[in-house]
Amino acid sequence: GAGVSQSPRYKVAKRGQDVALRCDPISGHVSLFWYQQALGQGPEFLTYFQNEAQLDKSGLPSDRFFAERPEGSVSTLKIQRTQQEDSAVYLCASSFRVLTNEKLFFGSGTQLSVL
Amino acid sequence: TQLLEQSPQFLSIQEGENLTVYCNSSSVFSSLQWYRQEPGEGPVLLVTVVTGGEVKKLKRLTFQFGDARKDSSLHITAAQPGDTGLYLCAVDYGNNRLAFGKGNQVVVIP
Repeated sequence: GAGVSQSPRYKVAKRGQDVALRCDPISGHVSLFWYQQALGQGPEFLTYFQNEAQLDKSGLPSDRFFAERPEGSVSTLKIQRTQQEDSAVYLCASSFRVLTNEKLFFGSGTQLSVL
Repeated sequence: TQLLEQSPQFLSIQEGENLTVYCNSSSVFSSLQWYRQEPGEGPVLLVTVVTGGEVKKLKRLTFQFGDARKDSSLHITAAQPGDTGLYLCAVDYGNNRLAFGKGNQVVVIP
């Protein structure tokens, strides 16, 4: 596709529900990243993949957060038993290569509101 | 502790005025990136600065990397409403994993 696509754009969940957020990276991009952006803050790193391998998940806030990229393209971020503090914009980004300062392309994000 | 401190947090100016925002740290970096994020969108890379003292220009935007590579500034000349957005600085701490500042929210009033 022309850019990184994320769905849904908006998600409202009741506290305790499970949610799944999808990311379609730019075709051919090796690296895929998930970031969390709380209101009034900069994005914070959650996890990243090189092809299908999850190489770093140190930013995931708890074991309720799980990410996968089984075929090295589309990725899903799953949050189990959502809490109000999970409310944020979840951004996905991809890059063609794994090099420092390789340009990252961000999607428009999924805005998650937990009531 | 925030790795990158951005100031001011919020700035509102009239169209045609100049502005400067800052990104500071106590750490030394090999490079630093600037992004602009508009409401409802993801950040878009504007520039990467890599050399101490480096100045890069992007139309009316001028980016400077401090001599000691601990800080950076963004200067906008004759701001336009289209410059409105959240300006984020970020550093790559390996394999494209980025640490962002909290951002400078700039509003340009027509």
